Amino acid sequence: AQRVTQPEKLLSVFKGAPVELKCNYSYSGSPELFWYVQYSRQRLQLLLRHISRESIKGFTADLNKGETSFHLKKPFAQEEDSAMYYCAPLKRGAQKLVFGQGTRLTINP
Amino acid sequence: DSGVTQTPKHLITATGQRVTLRCSPRSGDLSVYWYQQSLDQGLQFLIHYYNGEERAKGNILERFSAQQFPDLHSELNLSSLELGDSALYFCASSTGLAGQYEQYFGPGTRLTVT
Repeated sequence: AQRVTQPEKLLSVFKGAPVELKCNYSYSGSPELFWYVQYSRQRLQLLLRHISRESIKGFTADLNKGETSFHLKKPFAQEEDSAMYYCAPLKRGAQKLVFGQGTRLTINP
Repeated sequence: DSGVTQTPKHLITATGQRVTLRCSPRSGDLSVYWYQQSLDQGLQFLIHYYNGEERAKGNILERFSAQQFPDLHSELNLSSLELGDSALYFCASSTGLAGQYEQYFGPGTRLTVT
């Protein structure tokens, strides 16, 4: 079964510091990988997807097939980055996303 | 605004009751997904409909059922409600059948079972 692990439920960093939100998935192959974000009082929305290789709001995510990880990174955190972040790997051809438990990121001023 | 609407926003009901949650997808989207978000379980996939047909099931209880109508809106029916069913229920829509299409989420319905 597909499994995704976000080991940190809560993560707190200071503004300007680097931030890394961890995500590990359990299955082999070349999954599609997504990060979704939920800002306070807003709906869940797509932040970035691996296949597009874009940097969104300064965030990037690198797929490490050896470690089966897809960590989300940003070199300099900003206060508006405070939100709930969900990793969602998708096995190719599958029809459902399996979301991680989520990490609540708090950026302290 | 994602274009996905959900009604009602809040619902308070008693144990043993039955409720219906409604979701209208973005214009043109054929896929509708339902999720349950609770504090201890995170975001759990419940069920996926595509163009009126059920396509995938997740951790959906037998007391729960869903359907997608010809106009593509979807309803999630929750019956014999228990305290543990209290959660935020989201629907999302996407254009395609497969999971790689971006999902657009609604604002959610907060269900409180007392």
